[in-house]
Amino acid sequence: AQSVTQPDIHITVSEGASLELRCNYSYGATPYLFWYVQSPGQGLQLLLKYFSGDTLVQGIKGFEAEFKRSQSSFNLRKPSVHWSDAAEYFCAVGETSNTGKLIFGQGTTLQVKP
Amino acid sequence: DGGITQSPKYLFRKEGQNVTLSCEQNLNHDAMYWYRQDPGQGLRLIYYSQIVNDFQKGDIAEGYSVSREKKESFPLTVTSAQKNPTAFYLCASRNHWRDPNQPQHFGDGTRLSIL
Repeated sequence: AQSVTQPDIHITVSEGASLELRCNYSYGATPYLFWYVQSPGQGLQLLLKYFSGDTLVQGIKGFEAEFKRSQSSFNLRKPSVHWSDAAEYFCAVGETSNTGKLIFGQGTTLQVKP
Repeated sequence: DGGITQSPKYLFRKEGQNVTLSCEQNLNHDAMYWYRQDPGQGLRLIYYSQIVNDFQKGDIAEGYSVSREKKESFPLTVTSAQKNPTAFYLCASRNHWRDPNQPQHFGDGTRLSIL
């Protein structure tokens, strides 16, 4: 069965520092991968997605992610974190393209220190 | 602007009561989804619908029901059979037929609590 693991439940970084959020997936074929961000009490906003092609994908708000098939990973990165980046981040894998069902990781809460 | 509207933002349920959460989208998306979010558990799929008048159970459908009579609407009823309904409920939609690689778009959620 497909699954998504986000090993870090909570991460704290200083403002201006770099950020990497980890995501590992279990899926036999080439996966459809997504990163979403959620502010408290809000819905999820898409940061970026990967389906095929270039393994380094750029997203909104200065985020990027790299697909590494050999490591079954899709880690999210940002060179310099802003206080407004404090939120919960979810990695997800698409089950199949026809149903559009997503399987989510448990999420990583990012705290930004001033 | 196109988007997904969930209402109400906050909802309270009494014992033995059914409540209905509204989800409306004006994105002309074919597929719609309902998720339940609990702290530390990510999002779990309750029901989904790919076309009007058709829907399928997700991973945690027990105690919930849905309908899809119109393309833009996908209401979720939390029945009295759902013994632990307190959670944050998220509705999403996806443009299915035009491009199967499109991501899901989410509403702002409804927080349901027990009185």
